[in-house]
Amino acid sequence: EVQLLESGGDLVQPGGSLRLSCAASGFTFSSSAMSWVRQAPGKGLEWVSVISGMGDNTYYTDSVKGRFAVSRDNSKSTLYLQMNNLRTEDTALYYCAKESDWNPRKNNWFGPWGQGTLVTVSS
Amino acid sequence: SYVLTQPPSVSVAPGKTAKIPCGGYSIGSKTVHWYQQKPGQAPVVVIYFDTDRPSGIPERFSGSNSGNTATLTISRVEVGDEADYYCQVWDSYTDRRVFGGGTKVTVL
Repeated sequence: EVQLLESGGDLVQPGGSLRLSCAASGFTFSSSAMSWVRQAPGKGLEWVSVISGMGDNTYYTDSVKGRFAVSRDNSKSTLYLQMNNLRTEDTALYYCAKESDWNPRKNNWFGPWGQGTLVTVSS
Repeated sequence: SYVLTQPPSVSVAPGKTAKIPCGGYSIGSKTVHWYQQKPGQAPVVVIYFDTDRPSGIPERFSGSNSGNTATLTISRVEVGDEADYYCQVWDSYTDRRVFGGGTKVTVL
């Protein structure tokens, strides 16, 4: 059974940093691109970033480009999201999601998703 | 950037059919995926590649895509289908993934 478990969410002040992790199991981790998707309280889904199966291609939504960095350690089957210079508008539940192909330059669908980790940016 | 538009809410009586539209410029030339999210739970894909249904998803869920509108159809709606539904595409010009704003389906 494929399982994704996020961790690292916390309360942080504006301008602070945080690193999220997503531990994967039940599939060949390097065979799947992986995405981060966030959901602000009471709001819809917003895609944040994707990384290719081998970690050599990454893409970001405009609002986090230059502040967030996605990475992966295939030897540990773990996905990361380094979040710097956090803003109040980054407050959200952050999900990691497995994509349906290793190549992010394809029309992949998401599944399954983890249960999310909560990031709160507030002074 | 590419934009997907969904109505905020759709109401339907049990046993009837719910149609959830997802509008986007020439969305028929793209491939659409649909997700169901129940309160307090992570999203689950219910339709991928416009019309394909993952194992475990009832046949009551179907999808179509043409022109400027993709549609998720839920036939013989049940109380358990109450959830938020999101459409999603891949923007090949930017390699970004785009979600619609979501539609809350209420079963009256």
